[in-house]
Amino acid sequence: AQSVTQPDIHITVSEGASLELRCNYSYGATPYLFWYVQSPGQGLQLLLKYFSGDTLVQGIKGFEAEFKRSQSSFNLRKPSVHWSDAAEYFCAVGAQAGGSYIPTFGRGTSLIVHP
Amino acid sequence: GAGVSQSPRYKVAKRGQDVALRCDPISGHVSLFWYQQALGQGPEFLTYFQNEAQLDKSGLPSDRFFAERPEGSVSTLKIQRTQQEDSAVYLCASSGGDFRETQYFGPGTRLLVL
Repeated sequence: AQSVTQPDIHITVSEGASLELRCNYSYGATPYLFWYVQSPGQGLQLLLKYFSGDTLVQGIKGFEAEFKRSQSSFNLRKPSVHWSDAAEYFCAVGAQAGGSYIPTFGRGTSLIVHP
Repeated sequence: GAGVSQSPRYKVAKRGQDVALRCDPISGHVSLFWYQQALGQGPEFLTYFQNEAQLDKSGLPSDRFFAERPEGSVSTLKIQRTQQEDSAVYLCASSGGDFRETQYFGPGTRLLVL
């Protein structure tokens, strides 16, 4: 069974600083990997996804993530954080199921942005 | 176009009551998913439909939980004889027919069982 570990429950950064959120996964085959963001009262929004190919994935809102098979990691990065980035971030690994995939989510990392 | 909608947005139930949560997916989306998100946790998979067929219900925590999608569009998640541990946010997501397509999530229904 697949699993995801997000080792940081909270991360605090200053506005304008760079950001890296850690994600480690466990999965027997080639993983499908995702990062989602959840703002208060909002649904989950997909930031980016990796299925195959280039291991550096570009997403929305200036985010990127790098798949490193040797480290079983899929860390999320952003070069300059904006106050509006404060939210909960979830990493997920997906298993194909029929015509779709079923993601297993980590417990999330809460991002706090100081002005 | 409209996104995934869920109703009600908030539901308070007394322990032992039955509840029904509705999900309206994006029009034309064949895949529909239900997740349960407990406070401070990530979402956990409950069940998955492709059109009207329920292909996977391995995440349903007990036989008190039942989901249906009779016409392949709107779905209802029913919880019978609610318990306090059922208190959570219930998320619905939908996607197109290819497994690489993005799942779009609704805002969720927050269920509180007293």
